[in-house]
Amino acid sequence: GESVGLHLPTLSVQEGDNSIINCAYSNSASDYFIWYKQESGKGPQFIIDIRSNMDKRQGQRVTVLLNKTVKHLSLQIAATQPGDSAVYFCAENRPGGYNKLIFGAGTRLAVHP
Amino acid sequence: DAGVIQSPRHEVTEMGQEVTLRCKPISGHDYLFWYRQTMMRGLELLIYFNNNVPIDDSGMPEDRFSAKMPNASFSTLKIQPSEPRDSAVYFCASSRDRGNSPLHFGNGTRLTVT
Repeated sequence: GESVGLHLPTLSVQEGDNSIINCAYSNSASDYFIWYKQESGKGPQFIIDIRSNMDKRQGQRVTVLLNKTVKHLSLQIAATQPGDSAVYFCAENRPGGYNKLIFGAGTRLAVHP
Repeated sequence: DAGVIQSPRHEVTEMGQEVTLRCKPISGHDYLFWYRQTMMRGLELLIYFNNNVPIDDSGMPEDRFSAKMPNASFSTLKIQPSEPRDSAVYFCASSRDRGNSPLHFGNGTRLTVT
């Protein structure tokens, strides 16, 4: 079946560096995308979202880029901090009128001092 | 707002026993979702409700699983009888409206069936 996938299962970065987490989605009709952060023992926490009519959206230290041509989504974290260490999931909203998110497998981000 | 509240945080039970997981969504959210997370399968949508009515239960594994939402502030997910393969973290989430709004997750219930 269709799914949202991630290129890199783990990513290690130095504190202060910028991080880029990538995601490929399979349904070209998906119209809404979300990045979540999940820390150990907690539920996924909303980071940033983007609608399909946009190609870039910025938040505090985070930027999401959407390339619909190649069905690719990325999350950029500026000046990565130890507190950013977590598993990051992208999720796509399948069209059809329901808020039915399909989650990717996740990427673990490890930030080293 | 307190966010989505789930209970219990941990549940350990023996195979064959009934398990009931509970969820209180964020006030004012019309959609409620139950997800299951395992290492092998990641986050899987089990069922979701809109205005307390089940809309899509196609993700429910089998008849042993059932979910109810008797009112806007409470939902349960029941497994009867439980099996070891049901061991997972079960998340409840809620959202304000359909499409184009993020889900807000609780901290989950870690279920272990021995």
